[in-house]
Amino acid sequence: AQSVAQPEDQVNVAEGNPLTVKCTYSVSGNPYLFWYVQYPNRGLQFLLKYITGDNLVKGSYGFEAEFNKSQTSFHLKKPSALVSDSALYFCAVRDLTGGFKTIFGAGTRLFVKA
Amino acid sequence: DAGVTQSPTHLIKTRGQQVTLRCSPKSGHDTVSWYQQALGQGPQFIFQYYEEEERQRGNFPDRFSGHQFPNYSSELNVNALLLGDSALYLCASSRPSGSYEQYFGPGTRLTVT
Repeated sequence: AQSVAQPEDQVNVAEGNPLTVKCTYSVSGNPYLFWYVQYPNRGLQFLLKYITGDNLVKGSYGFEAEFNKSQTSFHLKKPSALVSDSALYFCAVRDLTGGFKTIFGAGTRLFVKA
Repeated sequence: DAGVTQSPTHLIKTRGQQVTLRCSPKSGHDTVSWYQQALGQGPQFIFQYYEEEERQRGNFPDRFSGHQFPNYSSELNVNALLLGDSALYLCASSRPSGSYEQYFGPGTRLTVT
């Protein structure tokens, strides 16, 4: 069965410092991996995806993520955090052996302090 | 270019009632998925519609049903509402094959009293 784990409920970082939001997954086949961000009282917004190819993928707003097959991880990173990055971040996985559904993690709240 | 729209924004219902939520996908998208997001949790997949058919269903009871219209818009119906159905209901649309990311609407906040 597919599953996604985000081990940290909250990540705190100072503005200008690098940030990492962790994600590990479990799927039967090859994973399609995604990061989404949710701002208060709004729907989810797509940040980036890994389907195939380079393990380091770049996305919106300066975010990037590294796919690590051996560690089954897909951590979200940004070299220099902004206060405006403060939001709820969701990692998600889709496994074609599981059909069309996408499984989301429980979310990690990122708090960037000025 | 309009994104995904959902209506209504908020809804308050009583236990046992029925509710219909509506979604219009992003222009050019033909696939619609529905998710339930309880407070403090990630979205949970309810079902996906493609070509007016339910293509896949998550672990939700038959009280949850849906429909997709020829213009790709979709409805989510929930019968015999329970207190536990209180949540944010998200609609997501995606393009035809080749792109797997989803575009989400702002959601409908359903409160069951």
